[in-house]
Amino acid sequence: KAGVTQTPRYLIKTRGQQVTLSCSPISGHRSVSWYQQTPGQGLQFLFEYFSETQRNKGNFPGRFSGRQFSNSRSEMNVSTLELGDSALYLCASRRPGGETQYFGPGTRLLVL
Amino acid sequence: SQQGEEDPQALSIQEGENATMNCSYKTSINNLQWYRQNSGRGLVHLILIRSNEREKHSGRLRVTLDTSKKSSSLLITASRAADTASYFCATESIFGKGTKLTVNP
Repeated sequence: KAGVTQTPRYLIKTRGQQVTLSCSPISGHRSVSWYQQTPGQGLQFLFEYFSETQRNKGNFPGRFSGRQFSNSRSEMNVSTLELGDSALYLCASRRPGGETQYFGPGTRLLVL
Repeated sequence: SQQGEEDPQALSIQEGENATMNCSYKTSINNLQWYRQNSGRGLVHLILIRSNEREKHSGRLRVTLDTSKKSSSLLITASRAADTASYFCATESIFGKGTKLTVNP
């Protein structure tokens, strides 16, 4: 089975812009979670989607949003980018009823 | 807030030595998982231990769980240079800040 894929892998944006990141889960996995990883804060949970519905949400401002499509692919959007949004964004998928998350390689976002 | 907190933050050892990393958490859990991350890449799942288990092995890995102390440890035996990575514990969707392990050849 192919692993979790994320596109793009690298991205450079400027403050005030918006960005959309994409995640394709492992075939058959219906849960997709998003995380932000920074040197200062570590790995922080953004949100989780299951069957197109947001199931859990972390403590991030409303500028961070996401969605999931019927094929389980997920996107996350960050609007009005700030310098502090520079991070590695990771998505992870789980099979139904599974406890283990399988991570993609991440999208490295740099905000200038 | 961070549920899991790893200790130490960084560890440097020689090949062949054992490496022990510890993790503490704050609330009750169903299970605790350990992940490895190589330099800025995605995380790889290593092992899951359930709340009713005290010890689990997988190859050179040994994980213990003490729910009374809300702590877990990960032992890597006979370490190799390829084990150089950051190691994270996680409960549900909450990850610790990780232990950066360097194994010197």
